[in-house]
Amino acid sequence: KAGVTQTPRYLIKTRGQQVTLSCSPISGHRSVSWYQQTPGQGLQFLFEYFSETQRNKGNFPGRFSGRQFSNSRSEMNVSTLELGDSALYLCASSVTGIYGYTFGSGTRLTVV
Amino acid sequence: GQQLNQSPQSMFIQEGEDVSMNCTSSSIFNTWLWYKQDPGEGPVLLIALYKAGELTSNGRLTAQFGITRKDSFLNISASIPSDVGIYFCAGQLSTGANSKLTFGKGITLSVRP
Repeated sequence: KAGVTQTPRYLIKTRGQQVTLSCSPISGHRSVSWYQQTPGQGLQFLFEYFSETQRNKGNFPGRFSGRQFSNSRSEMNVSTLELGDSALYLCASSVTGIYGYTFGSGTRLTVV
Repeated sequence: GQQLNQSPQSMFIQEGEDVSMNCTSSSIFNTWLWYKQDPGEGPVLLIALYKAGELTSNGRLTAQFGITRKDSFLNISASIPSDVGIYFCAGQLSTGANSKLTFGKGITLSVRP
């Protein structure tokens, strides 16, 4: 079956702009989580959505937001981009969120 | 935020050797996961552990869930060049209301042919 699909794979944005990243989970998976990966901080949890509701949230500023649609697809938005937002953004899906997650290949965001 | 402890940051082994990686936490988790990440890709789940004391194998990989629920280890036997990558441990509380993964910083494994 198809894995977790993230689009786009690469993105270059200018400081101050906003960006929207997309994630299509594995069919049947209702839980979608987002993580930020940087060399300094490693993998940091952003938020998790389950059945269109945000169920968990990490310690990121309000510039980072997300949503989930009725087909479980999810989007993540970052407004007023800063240089420090440059990272690999990973989406992961799970049936319920309990038994581990399958990750996508990520979106590499570069802010210049 | 909280992170799990993985050390050393890098390991260098000879092809054919066995290698063991450890992961510790100050907090209890009721699920432990081991992931491998190749450059430019997302982490791939290797082994999931759901019960304290559980020992699980996946081919040449063996992982154990510590009795205290605060640690786990991963063994790779008879290493091959394609084992190169970054190995992450992750802990999860595994309740519907708290399903986030907490990751270690990862160990970069190099395998010399």
